[in-house]
Amino acid sequence: GQNIDQPTEMTATEGAIVQINCTYQTSGFNGLFWYQQHAGEAPTFLSYNVLDGLEEKGRFSSFLSRSKGYSYLLLKELQMKDSASYLCAVRGIGAGNMLTFGGGTRLMVKP
Amino acid sequence: NAGVTQTPKFQVLKTGQSMTLQCAQDMNHEYMSWYRQDPGMGLRLIHYSVGAGITDQGEVPNGYNVSRSTTEDFPLRLLSAAPSQTSVYFCASSRWFIGQPNTEAFFGQGTRLTVV
Repeated sequence: GQNIDQPTEMTATEGAIVQINCTYQTSGFNGLFWYQQHAGEAPTFLSYNVLDGLEEKGRFSSFLSRSKGYSYLLLKELQMKDSASYLCAVRGIGAGNMLTFGGGTRLMVKP
Repeated sequence: NAGVTQTPKFQVLKTGQSMTLQCAQDMNHEYMSWYRQDPGMGLRLIHYSVGAGITDQGEVPNGYNVSRSTTEDFPLRLLSAAPSQTSVYFCASSRWFIGQPNTEAFFGQGTRLTVV
């Protein structure tokens, strides 16, 4: 099975940098995804990591360490519109490559 | 582009009633799935399908049925609604290849279901 942990809530200031951590324990690993979800809306894809290291995409970066079962999402130059929940999800192997989600981290960006 | 379309957006049911949540995608995706989202518990997989005629159970399948007669449609049936099924339901689709896990899931806008 899969067990995915991330902080429930975080608060940061507009213009700052914030790091959202995700740790996981899995019986099989086939990649880690980060999704953004604004209140009342559907999750939307942010990033994907399957190899160790950092993937950068504009203001957002995602890091993975498979040996440590650890990932983080780094958000730079925070904007008010970044206030949302950030979901960490792990894709397993076998059984349809199911995607298992953590509980999500609610980020509040303050002026 | 329509993407993934879910209907209805909101629904109130009485305990014991049955209903079907509709999901359709126009991206020719092989993989479709249903999740429920409850506060503090994240998204939990109910059922999934890797192609027409193939379905399987996820983490929380009890009380729900699915079928996949076409590539485009993946309806979720609540057999006898219970208050514990009050939740937000999301349908998602993605490409699915063995050996190609980097296939992002596209989500519908969700169905907010209340069972009283």
